[in-house]
Amino acid sequence: EVQLVESGGDLVKPGGSLRLSCAAFGFTFSSYALSWVRQAPGRGLEWVASISTSSSSFYYADSVRGRFTISRDNAKNSVYLQMNSLRAEDTAVYYCARGASSGNYYWFDPWGQGTLVTVSS
Amino acid sequence: DIQMTQSPSSVSASVGDRVTITCRASQGIDTWLAWYQQKPGKAPKFLIYGASSLQSGVPSRFSGSGSGTDFTLTISSLQPEDFATYYCQQGKSFPLTFGGGTKVEIK
Repeated sequence: EVQLVESGGDLVKPGGSLRLSCAAFGFTFSSYALSWVRQAPGRGLEWVASISTSSSSFYYADSVRGRFTISRDNAKNSVYLQMNSLRAEDTAVYYCARGASSGNYYWFDPWGQGTLVTVSS
Repeated sequence: DIQMTQSPSSVSASVGDRVTITCRASQGIDTWLAWYQQKPGKAPKFLIYGASSLQSGVPSRFSGSGSGTDFTLTISSLQPEDFATYYCQQGKSFPLTFGGGTKVEIK
């Protein structure tokens, strides 16, 4: 079964840092682009970042560029999101999502269950 | 950035009703459009890609159409499990962007 499992969400103070992890199961991890998408409480979906299969390309939303870093370890079947200089507006459930087909960045399937990041003093 | 606008933001419907949700892009995106379904407390589920291609396993009562800037998601006969929030998303260019969502509620 294809599955993504996020971890690392927590309560953190403004200005703090957090690293999210996403472990993948059931598919050839190195063949798929991976992304992070977030959802603030009661709000819609916001794409955050994407990384190519070989880590040669990265894309970020303007709202996180320079503060967040996406990375992956194909040997560990995992993708990460390093979040620095966190702000209250970063509070959200963060979903890890796979490209819907090999090499595809543009559609997301499947999604993990999400991990909650709360930024508050 | 390409802005995605969905309408309506919510719709009340009964089981068996036909429901249509629209999504408009701020510039042409050909057929680089996907639809997702999200139920409360759950991750989104991928329904349609390329504006009209049904993802494997998705019931045939779901259909998508459109190209350029105007798109629709239609549920031909609403089932109890279809009450959820639906999002469109453009895949034409980064930053990838979602519509604001349409909540389908029970009348």
